[in-house]
Amino acid sequence: AQRVTQPEKLLSVFKGAPVELKCNYSYSGSPELFWYVQYSRQRLQLLLRHISRESIKGFTADLNKGETSFHLKKPFAQEEDSAMYYCALNTMNTGFQKLVFGTGTRLLVSP
Amino acid sequence: NAGVTQTPKFQVLKTGQSMTLQCAQDMNHNSMYWYRQDPGMGLRLIYYSASEGTTDKGEVPNGYNVSRLNKREFSLRLESAAPSQTSVYFCATCDRGIWEKLFFGSGTQLSVL
Repeated sequence: AQRVTQPEKLLSVFKGAPVELKCNYSYSGSPELFWYVQYSRQRLQLLLRHISRESIKGFTADLNKGETSFHLKKPFAQEEDSAMYYCALNTMNTGFQKLVFGTGTRLLVSP
Repeated sequence: NAGVTQTPKFQVLKTGQSMTLQCAQDMNHNSMYWYRQDPGMGLRLIYYSASEGTTDKGEVPNGYNVSRLNKREFSLRLESAAPSQTSVYFCATCDRGIWEKLFFGSGTQLSVL
C-alpha cells in the first residue's frame, strides 16, 4: 500500500531551536519524495524534493530507505517558518503518476 | 499570467443542494487534480485528469463528479451536498508528472449545513 505518515499534527518550538518534522512512507517502488509548505493565507507550494538534495530556507531532508523516512530538518527555527508542512510521495498507478500526501504537521515557532 | 484560478472562494450550501467548483489554468499543463483538505487528514485526491478528455477517480471520489471541459478547465460537481463534504477544496495542475511544476489554486472553502 502507498502511504505517507506524519505522526505529529502540531510541533511547537521556540525561535532558534532545532526542528525536525517526521515523515515515513510505505511504497513498493523506488520512492520519490517531496515536502510542500502552506503559509498562512497562501497557496500550497513546493519546499524541496529529495532528488535535488538541496537546502531551501535552511531546511534539508534526507531520504533514508532503510528506515523509510524523509524527515525535514532545520537547525535554527525562525518565526516565519510557522506554517503547515506536508510530506508527499510520488506514486505510479496504471501508468499515471500521482502525489500521495501525508496528513500534515503544523509548525508553530514562538518568539 | 494568473496560474490556477478557482471559483468561488467561499460557498455555503444546504444539505442536498448541488454546485460546481470551477478551476482554470493558463500554464498549458496536461494534468489537473482536485484535492480536499481536512484537519487531521491532510490532502486527499478526489479526481484527476491526466489529459484533456480523460478523468479518473482518486482516493475519495464518492459524492463527486468531474468534467475536463478542455485543456484549461477542470470542474468538480457535488450533485447532492452532504455535511461530510464540508472541506477546503484545492485544484492543482502539473506538467506531465513533473512535481516541481505542481501548482495549486487558492482553494474553495465549502460549508454544507
